[in-house]
Formats: sequence, C-alpha cells, structure tokens
Amino acid sequence: EDQVTQSPEALRLQEGESSSLNCSYTVSGLRGLFWYRQDPGKGPEFLFTLYSAGEEKEKERLKATLTKKESFLHITAPKPEDSATYLCAVRPQNTNAGKSTFGDGTTLTVKP
Amino acid sequence: DAGVIQSPRHEVTEMGQEVTLRCKPISGHDYLFWYRQTMMRGLELLIYFNNNVPIDDSGMPEDRFSAKMPNASFSTLKIQPSEPRDSAVYFCASSTHRRSSSYEQYFGPGTRLTVT
Repeated sequence: EDQVTQSPEALRLQEGESSSLNCSYTVSGLRGLFWYRQDPGKGPEFLFTLYSAGEEKEKERLKATLTKKESFLHITAPKPEDSATYLCAVRPQNTNAGKSTFGDGTTLTVKP
Repeated sequence: DAGVIQSPRHEVTEMGQEVTLRCKPISGHDYLFWYRQTMMRGLELLIYFNNNVPIDDSGMPEDRFSAKMPNASFSTLKIQPSEPRDSAVYFCASSTHRRSSSYEQYFGPGTRLTVT
C-alpha cells in the first residue's frame, strides 16, 4: 500500500531560523512527488513537482529535494508569511493516472 | 483563468437534509477530484473523474454520497441524507497532463459544511 508520512507534525521557528520539513514515502515506483502549501481557510496551493532522485526545485525561500525514499522542503531564513501547512503528495506508477496520495502535512509557524 | 470555483462557500444544514456541493474546474483540465478534509482524518480523496467519467469512487464513505459530472465544466457532490459526521471542508480540484502540466492539482477554496 502506498504511504506518505510527513514530519514533524508541527514546527515553530523564529524569523530567519532555517529548517527542513520531511516527506517519507513508500510507493511501488514514483511518477511524481508534489509539494503544496495550504493557508488557513483556503485550498492547497501547488508549489513544486519532483520526478527523480537528485532533482531540486527552488522558489523564493523554499527548496525541495528528492531522494529514492524521501523529499525535503528546505526553508531558508523564513518570514512570518511562510507560516502555513505544507502538504506532500505522491503519484505512484501503479495507479490510475492523475491520482495522488497525500500526507497529513506539517504546520509551520514562523514568529517575528 | 479564474481557477477552480466552488459553491456554496459555507453550508449549514440540519441532519437528514440533502446537501449539494458544486464545482467548476479550470477550463481545459481533464481530471476532477473531490476531497474531504477534517482535523482527524486529514485530506481524503472521495472520488475522481477523467473526461467526465468516474474512475475511482473507492473513497466515497457510503451510499449517502454521490457525485456526477454531466459535462467538462461542472460537477456536483451530493449527500442525502446528511449526518453530523459529514461536517468537514469539501474541496474540488482539477488537473491535466497537457500543456507542460503533469498532474499537479489545482484546488478550489472549499465548501465548509456543518450538519447540526
């Protein structure tokens, strides 16, 4: 069974304090790994897609990396506006195209 | 593009009543997903469509839930009769693999359903 586990469940940082969020996955072949950001009261917003081990994507203070077993979302010098829940999702090879399995998310709070 | 549109944004109803949630996907997207999100269970996939055809409804909790997609620009999720445990935020999302996209999903703002 495909599984996605995100850690930690919650992370509190001071503004400027860099850290990483983890997404561990178990799938029978990976077609894609996605990161989303969700603000309170809103739907998840797409951030990145990663396809193969060693791949990296960057957007402002965020950088996503991928290995064969996990992905990291690195946050460099975060600001209060980076506070949100970050969701990871995987699209396995053995599933109907289009369907993704989501993790439970990491809720990030950045204090000024 | 206006993004995925959902209505209503909020719905409060009494137990036993019928509830219909509506979704308009992004134009040109050929996949449509219905999710339910709660604190206890996170984001759960209920059903998804490809080219208006239901592909996987294994996440639909019980027969009280039904979903339709009569055309490429409209879908409904119906709960009849509703129960208090159906209270949640329901999201609609759409995606495509065309035009440089690769199945990343674009979510609507959600419908917050409260059943009393």
